[in-house]
Amino acid sequence: QKEVEQNSGPLSVPEGAIASLNCTYSDRVSQSFFWYRQYSGKSPELIMSIYSNGDKEDGRFTAQLNKASQYVSLLIRDSQPSDSATYLCAGGGGSNYKLTFGKGTLLTVNP
Amino acid sequence: GAVVSQHPSWVICKSGTSVKIECRSLDFQATTMFWYRQFPKQSLMLMATSNEGSKATYEQGVEKDKFLINHASLTLSTLTVTSAHPEDSSFYICSARPPEGTSRQPQHFGDGTRLSIL
Repeated sequence: QKEVEQNSGPLSVPEGAIASLNCTYSDRVSQSFFWYRQYSGKSPELIMSIYSNGDKEDGRFTAQLNKASQYVSLLIRDSQPSDSATYLCAGGGGSNYKLTFGKGTLLTVNP
Repeated sequence: GAVVSQHPSWVICKSGTSVKIECRSLDFQATTMFWYRQFPKQSLMLMATSNEGSKATYEQGVEKDKFLINHASLTLSTLTVTSAHPEDSSFYICSARPPEGTSRQPQHFGDGTRLSIL
């Protein structure tokens, strides 16, 4: 099993809708998780981090972590065309500071 | 905020050429830097962890003699792709680990280098 898996996508939603992105992870991944947004040809930028069970909200973004199910998700409310990008889930940042990335989900928000 | 500069941003060269990519942390000291490779429509794959003053730690399947990493100072790591071939064409991204407690980000990323080997 890959350490961090993103199996959904590509995802297309209308402007103003909620976009839901999902990620699962294996036991080998450290218990810190990060969501990155990557525009085509650019490097990833951090949009959310989550370390403990439950929800974490930041503006239009909500990250959810369920350690029992080894599942982490990202919700984007009121999606905008500018949110169109690839979203990468990453686990790690532990003592060795390494990040393991999922393969990413391409999100398209249609005006 | 913390800035990591990567240079060059884009390089095209002939097969057999060696190419050096620089990664600099501009406003913090980075004892650990990372080098990633990303093929089109794929995720970032960690190639190696660059440790200041010591040898880099390579991920499984990455040829250390092909991808030479030097981290001679706390602000500079270099990746040299030796005798590059078309299959080495990719997007290479570096990142730097910020000092403990100074950033909410586990790593700060450079802007990437687009390498095209003809």
